[in-house]
Amino acid sequence: GAGVSQSPSNKVTEKGKDVELRCDPISGHTALYWYRQSLGQGLEFLIYFQGNSAPDKSGLPSDRFSAERTGGSVSTLTIQRTQQEDSAVYLCASSFYRGGYRGANTEAFFGQGTRLTVV
Amino acid sequence: AQTVTQSQPEMSVQEAETVTLSCTYDTSENNYYLFWYKQPPSRQMILVIRQEAYKQQNATENRFSVNFQKAAKSFSLKISDSQLGDTAMYFCAFMNPGVSMEYGNKLVFGAGTILRVKS
Repeated sequence: GAGVSQSPSNKVTEKGKDVELRCDPISGHTALYWYRQSLGQGLEFLIYFQGNSAPDKSGLPSDRFSAERTGGSVSTLTIQRTQQEDSAVYLCASSFYRGGYRGANTEAFFGQGTRLTVV
Repeated sequence: AQTVTQSQPEMSVQEAETVTLSCTYDTSENNYYLFWYKQPPSRQMILVIRQEAYKQQNATENRFSVNFQKAAKSFSLKISDSQLGDTAMYFCAFMNPGVSMEYGNKLVFGAGTILRVKS
């Protein structure tokens, strides 16, 4: 697609329910990031996928959070047994890994985010 | 671990004037990338400017320029001729390309600076 696509754009759920947030990265981008942003705050890193490597899960706040990336493309972030403190905007980004010994990703391109409200 | 610090939570500037947003970072690496992202009220994260650490010349993009001081680990953003559309939250971000997939390539963000341009 032309850009990073996230769905749904807004999600309201009851406390204790599970939710799935979807991210469709830019075609050909090998790296995919999930961040969480509380109202008026900065970006909290959650998880990072790079090609076929094991993901960097160091930012996941609890074992209620998990993410998958199927076929190196679409990613799903799952939050189980949602709590009110999970309410935030969840941002996904993708970038292209240039490879090489000191390879690096190009700049990250962001989706518009999913605003999750837990009531 | 790398950290990024933005010490100005909020700033204001009159239209057509110049404003500088500060950013400092901490790393022991020599090769890395720095970015400034803009997030307007629409929530869409937009790349403003990018700097590669091995380049001594400061990056510029139209009205946006940076003052990159590698020894001081400082990366400030200067916005000239400020416009109402520049009103947004600005994030400084760091990426270490790394020598291994496990260590590198994760984008680390500062807490952000809210910039308000007044008419």
